[in-house]
Amino acid sequence: EIVLTQSPGTLSLSPGERATLSCRASQSVTNKLLAWYQQKPGQAPRLLIYDASSRATDIPDRFSGSGSGTDFTLTINRLDPEDFAVYYCQQYDNSFSFGPGTRVDI
Amino acid sequence: QVHLVQSGAEVKKPGASVTISCQASGYTFTSYAIHWVRQAPGQSLEWMGWIFAGNGDTEYSKKIQGRVSITRDTSARTAYLELTSLKSEDTAVYYCARNVPRTGWLGPWGQGTLVTVSS
Repeated sequence: EIVLTQSPGTLSLSPGERATLSCRASQSVTNKLLAWYQQKPGQAPRLLIYDASSRATDIPDRFSGSGSGTDFTLTINRLDPEDFAVYYCQQYDNSFSFGPGTRVDI
Repeated sequence: QVHLVQSGAEVKKPGASVTISCQASGYTFTSYAIHWVRQAPGQSLEWMGWIFAGNGDTEYSKKIQGRVSITRDTSARTAYLELTSLKSEDTAVYYCARNVPRTGWLGPWGQGTLVTVSS
């Protein structure tokens, strides 16, 4: 089973700043089979990025994903107030698993 | 527009079983898979299993295999999750999510169903 670790646990930023979120896998995730989700309180997760760097439908271009192997990054440029939420990475190379999440706080 | 609508909250006693439904609309039901993911209070997401709506093929998490069953009714465009021998640790919000076959990303998601296991 691939175990995902996310850092930091909490990121405290202001609107307009850039957020850089990290997701590290316990073994290589082949073919960049990794996704990122956003979850707001009381809501279901929403797909942001798939295949490490492809934006999902209707996701603003301030969200971008990068990385390969064991290290992946979600970058949010120019934080909007609606971006303050919890972000999860998920691998689908070897079965399916999620990371513990990073909370982006104001 | 693609929508997944789940059944309502459930309260169950330890040892009981629960079945949650997920009704799909806005797309060809049998061309996609439905995954089930749960989230215990204050915790991360845990993948439980999936079903390909076309032929009914399933795969389950090894952690809960033996207690979980995912089925579908193509005429009702609905997928079902049954979890048996409930424990307090099964208290969680349960989500269904659509998946394109041979990919692993999930979206969109249902609104979630809270299952509370308590004596």
